[in-house]
Amino acid sequence: GAVVSQHPSRVICKSGTSVKIECRSLDFQATTMFWYRQFPKKSLMLMATSNEGSKATYEQGVEKDKFLINHASLTLSTLTVTSAHPEDSSFYICSARDRINTGELFFGEGSRLTVL
Amino acid sequence: GESVGLHLPTLSVQEGDNSIINCAYSNSASDYFIWYKQESGKGPQFIIDIRSNMDKRQGQRVTVLLNKTVKHLSLQIAATQPGDSAVYFCAEMGKLRAAGNKLTFGGGTRVLVKP
Repeated sequence: GAVVSQHPSRVICKSGTSVKIECRSLDFQATTMFWYRQFPKKSLMLMATSNEGSKATYEQGVEKDKFLINHASLTLSTLTVTSAHPEDSSFYICSARDRINTGELFFGEGSRLTVL
Repeated sequence: GESVGLHLPTLSVQEGDNSIINCAYSNSASDYFIWYKQESGKGPQFIIDIRSNMDKRQGQRVTVLLNKTVKHLSLQIAATQPGDSAVYFCAEMGKLRAAGNKLTFGGGTRVLVKP
C-alpha cells in the first residue's frame, strides 16, 4: 500500500530553537497533506491543511507563525516548529491524500518532539 | 461545532472473545467514516471504512456498522487477539473526493486484551 514517511521520528531540542519535520509521500502524489498534533492519551487534533503550491490553511487556535508549513512539491510537506518551548512537546503526525486514486488518506508514523 | 465521540474510553476483553467499540457522531452531513488502530508511538493504521450509503461492511475479523438514524458507528473485532491491543479511533469526513475535506477524529478507545 501507499507509504507516507516522516522524518525525524524523534527529536529533542533546546527551548528557543526551531525544528523541522518532513512528511513525504513515497509512492504517490499528494496535493493535500494534513498535520495533526497528539498529546499523550488524547486524540489527534488537526492543526492545518497543507496544499501544494499554496498557503496552508490553519485550524482555529493554531498559530501560523509558530507552526510554519511548506508544501513545495507533490510529495513533500514540512512543518517547522519555531522558537520551540516545552509546551510544544508532542507527537506530530502527517497524512497525505492520494490525488490520483480514491482520495484515500495515508498516515505517517509520527514524529515525537521533546523540547527541553 | 460538530464532533465525533466515543462512549467507552477503555475496553478490557478476554483473548478469543469478540470486541465491540462504539462511536457517536453529530454531523449528519458526514459521508465517510473510518476506523483506525494506533499502537503506542506509531501513526494511525487504517482498519476499515464505510460510506453513508451503507450500513455494514466486513473485513478480515472486523465489521463496521453504521446507523445513520442515531448517528452511531461501531467496530466489531472477532476473536480478539493480543495483537489487537491498541487505541482505536473513529473518524469522519464529508465527501471522500471533495477538495479540502478534513478528517475529524473521535476521542479514542483503548482495547486491552487479557490472555
